[in-house]
Amino acid sequence: DVKVTQSSRYLVKRTGEKVFLECVQDMDHENMFWYRQDPGLGLRLIYFSYDVKMKEKGDIPEGYSVSREKKERFSLILESASTNQTSMYLCASRPAGVETQYFGPGTRLLVL
Amino acid sequence: SQQGEEDPQALSIQEGENATMNCSYKTSINNLQWYRQNSGRGLVHLILIRSNEREKHSGRLRVTLDTSKKSSSLLITASRAADTASYFCATVSPSGSRLTFGEGTQLTVNP
Repeated sequence: DVKVTQSSRYLVKRTGEKVFLECVQDMDHENMFWYRQDPGLGLRLIYFSYDVKMKEKGDIPEGYSVSREKKERFSLILESASTNQTSMYLCASRPAGVETQYFGPGTRLLVL
Repeated sequence: SQQGEEDPQALSIQEGENATMNCSYKTSINNLQWYRQNSGRGLVHLILIRSNEREKHSGRLRVTLDTSKKSSSLLITASRAADTASYFCATVSPSGSRLTFGEGTQLTVNP
């Protein structure tokens, strides 16, 4: 079974803090994704990576950055958290040549 | 931008009934996928239908695709309380491999 894990299920941070969300997959997948999910807006792609040290902007990259130093780990960074970044963050991965994605359980982030 | 739009936004049925959810999209696709999300959890892939397919089955799931109308439907037959979840359609364009999700349908199956 593919396993995608995220470092925290719930996180509370203060405005202006630097926030790291970690995602790890154990199936040697080339592609990894970060989404945020908000009521009425569905899932929106923030960033994705198709290889180590490679990254591509998604639909809403502003206010976020990512890091992929190892194949199994994809980090989402909020450089200076703001209240409008309060959301559910979902990580996903998929192997090259496969079209379905495997999702982690999500991190619910609250920025106060 | 959101490619898919699900309809209805919420659906409440009794156990044993069938549930039908619809998805419409705007541009050409390579394939369309349906995912399920239990409350507060990650998404789980259910089924994928390619642009050259019209219907696909998997257990109690039946998916149809009408590329001329740019729409898909997901039918869950003989629903169970455990089917209670949000259901999302997601499309993949011919040129890429990114998923573009709709807003989802919240299905409640009452025992």
